[in-house]
Amino acid sequence: EDKVVQSPLSLVVHEGDTVTLNCSYEVTNFRSLLWYKQEKKAPTFLFMLTSSGIEKKSGRLSSILDKKELFSILNITATQTGDSAIYLCAVEARGAQGGSEKLVFGKGTKLTVNP
Amino acid sequence: DTGVSQDPRHKITKRGQNVTFRCDPISEHNRLYWYRQTLGQGPEFLTYFQNEAQLEKSRLLSDRFSAERPKGSFSTLEIQRTEQGDSAMYLCASSSRSIPPYTGELFFGEGSRLTVL
Repeated sequence: EDKVVQSPLSLVVHEGDTVTLNCSYEVTNFRSLLWYKQEKKAPTFLFMLTSSGIEKKSGRLSSILDKKELFSILNITATQTGDSAIYLCAVEARGAQGGSEKLVFGKGTKLTVNP
Repeated sequence: DTGVSQDPRHKITKRGQNVTFRCDPISEHNRLYWYRQTLGQGPEFLTYFQNEAQLEKSRLLSDRFSAERPKGSFSTLEIQRTEQGDSAMYLCASSSRSIPPYTGELFFGEGSRLTVL
């Protein structure tokens, strides 16, 4: 069965700290790995990674995928209180006809950034 | 607003009652997903549609749950004889498989929160 494991489950830091969130996965017919940010409402898309070793970057957030070791990390530098949220990792499995089937989510990492 | 919309946003019901949630996806998206999320957990897959066809249904979904997408546009999720364990946020998401480049990104609605007393 497809599985996504995130660590840590919870993290409390001070503003300005750098954090690294981890995501490991086991999935049949891997297609992509996605990171989402969830505050009080629906998850919002951050990154999609399909190739190993290519860093995706958006402002203070960056992410990279290792398809050999089956994991991804999400880095946030110079954290701000507005970064407080649950960060979800999801893996997309390739369907029988090459299209996506569904996203399998991890439990998320709850990040709290204190002033 | 052209995002995914869900209705109602909140539903409180007594155990044993039936509830129905509606999802209107982004109009050009042909895939529609239902997820359930409880506190401290990531979204848990329930089912998904491509157009009006239900392509996959989670084994975790009991026969009290049924979903439809009759015309390939909006979808409904019905829970019959609700139980307290059904209390959760029910998230709908949509994506496009027919508009390249296909990215796999799901666009989520704001969810329907169900509380079963």
